[in-house]
Amino acid sequence: NAGVTQTPKFRVLKTGQSMTLLCAQDMNHEYMYWYRQDPGMGLRLIHYSVGEGTTAKGEVPDGYNVSRLKKQNFLLGLESAAPSQTSVYFCASSYGLGFYNEQFFGPGTRLTVL
Amino acid sequence: ILNVEQSPQSLHVQEGDSTNFTCSFPSSNFYALHWYRWETAKSPEALFVMTLNGDEKKKGRISATLNTKEGYSYLYIKGSQPEDSATYLCASSTGANNLFFGTGTRLTVIP
Repeated sequence: NAGVTQTPKFRVLKTGQSMTLLCAQDMNHEYMYWYRQDPGMGLRLIHYSVGEGTTAKGEVPDGYNVSRLKKQNFLLGLESAAPSQTSVYFCASSYGLGFYNEQFFGPGTRLTVL
Repeated sequence: ILNVEQSPQSLHVQEGDSTNFTCSFPSSNFYALHWYRWETAKSPEALFVMTLNGDEKKKGRISATLNTKEGYSYLYIKGSQPEDSATYLCASSTGANNLFFGTGTRLTVIP
């Protein structure tokens, strides 16, 4: 089992460019989440999904879009990257709803927006 | 937005010492409290999820307690080992659609 994987591991973008971060899990989890980690702050929830074809906003959704076309994949998109989106992005998944069940995290994607 | 605070921010202990840290959260509308262990260059790994006041959970030398009435949780490590060095995160939820993380306690165990 690979668990939760994220692609790419690192990326540098210029302001205004777009990109998509891919999260994949092989645990047949129903629920998936995208977080960002910034210095001096806790992990903050961007968007989450409670099942294939569904998405919902978290604490900091502005500037991001997500899609869950397949159960095992959760995509995070930045349509027009801004320097404020420089961060480390973590994907997570859980069997039950992860606000009261443990979440399994991916290795993270470090994104720099110049 | 929930204010989840962890203390101390960091601490160093000698191998073999026992230690504990605190997670504070608003006690109103409490739903769940999570503890995660996050080693450098790895992903956070779940230690415990607790939901009931008075909950106590244990995994090896690590245990946690929960007081939802006063809004705090303690994480205890008995007989710290160098491999316990990590950042310990707590997170609290007030409902079915949120989870707010603290900034973590960074533990260094000195051999």
